[in-house]
Amino acid sequence: GAVVSQHPSRVICKSGTSVKIECRSLDFQATTMFWYRQFPKQSLMLMATSNEGSKATYEQGVEKDKFLINHASLTLSTLTVTSAHPEDSSFYICSARVASGPPETQYFGPGTRLLVL
Amino acid sequence: ILNVEQSPQSLHVQEGDSTNFTCSFPSSNFYALHWYRWETAKSPEALFVMTLNGDEKKKGRISATLNTKEGYSYLYIKGSQPEDSATYLCAFNTGFQKLVFGTGTRLLVSP
Repeated sequence: GAVVSQHPSRVICKSGTSVKIECRSLDFQATTMFWYRQFPKQSLMLMATSNEGSKATYEQGVEKDKFLINHASLTLSTLTVTSAHPEDSSFYICSARVASGPPETQYFGPGTRLLVL
Repeated sequence: ILNVEQSPQSLHVQEGDSTNFTCSFPSSNFYALHWYRWETAKSPEALFVMTLNGDEKKKGRISATLNTKEGYSYLYIKGSQPEDSATYLCAFNTGFQKLVFGTGTRLLVSP
């Protein structure tokens, strides 16, 4: 149980275009989803916390107008990288908390590798 | 800024060897410590959530200990197998739904 999917797994786009990444909890409801980013040889860094039906909370230094997060249902959160630039190239990964489970556990998707040319 | 450090950065052992890694984290305002196992091209898999000083948890050949007073956790793998090859991540839970990750220990187990 507690499976999280992400789509796409890999995307290459031109500079200036927008890219949408989907994160789905397949077999549970997730009131809270999280978006992380990982640059080469660095740790996973939390970008934002997404609560179903409300605005996302962004970490310091993360531009909310550039990284649009929508959490419209208990099983889906989306991250849109708007007007992507080469410096946005990174590995993006989401996680979800089980709504009725232990508060501490986050289940992760397999991640999305974004390359902006 | 919270700092979570893991050592070693990478490790190469032979099948059957036992090994251990370290995760260091802030000893103040401790809430929980998580261990994840992350195989290439797969989702990180939750191994343990540890909350109490002195906690010891075990899952098959993998076990973990926790010392919150000095701010470290050890992950042990007994009799390593090639399928144990993965990156092992620890994450400090701030208590506000936020996980602060270390950079991981990459383990390679050769047959």
